[in-house]
Amino acid sequence: QKEVEQDPGPLSVPEGAIVSLNCTYSNSAFQYFMWYRQYSRKGPELLMYTYSSGNKEDGRFTAQVDKSSKYISLFIRDSQPSDSATYLCAMSPTGNQFYFGTGTSLTVIP
Amino acid sequence: GAVVSQHPSWVICKSGTSVKIECRSLDFQATTMFWYRQFPKQSLMLMATSNEGSKATYEQGVEKDKFLINHASLTLSTLTVTSAHPEDSSFYICSAPGGAAQETQYFGPGTRLLVL
Repeated sequence: QKEVEQDPGPLSVPEGAIVSLNCTYSNSAFQYFMWYRQYSRKGPELLMYTYSSGNKEDGRFTAQVDKSSKYISLFIRDSQPSDSATYLCAMSPTGNQFYFGTGTSLTVIP
Repeated sequence: GAVVSQHPSWVICKSGTSVKIECRSLDFQATTMFWYRQFPKQSLMLMATSNEGSKATYEQGVEKDKFLINHASLTLSTLTVTSAHPEDSSFYICSAPGGAAQETQYFGPGTRLLVL
């Protein structure tokens, strides 16, 4: 079983839709949870970072962590064509050791 | 936020030559840096962990003699692909831990290598 599971998609939504991206994990020691956005042929860009359980909101983006279910989500409201990218979840137990999902490819259609 | 740069951004070389890729942390120090490889439409694959002042730690299946890593200072790590072959063509990305507890990673923009 992989440490982190993420549906690769692809996911295609119309502009303005709410997007839900998810990852599950098996290691209960994970405490730090991150979402990265990667445009084609570019390095990943840190979008959201959450410590332990709870929600965090930043503009149109909301990250949720449910440690009891070992499940994390990223919601994108009012999705834009510029949101089209691959979204990677990442987790770490203590830092210096990171586990990535395979990435979900998202396309927002104008 | 923390900035990590990579140089060159892309490189084309002949088979059999060696290529050096630099990874720099521009506004913070990094005792550890990570090197990843990414094939088209696939996720990141960790190759090795670069440690300042000591030997790198390689992931299983990664050839140490082929992918030489040097972390000579707190802001610079280099990856040298020795005797490159077409199958080494890939997107190479470095990252460095950041944050108060080194709990997240900041990625460089990546280096695209094409070996002819």
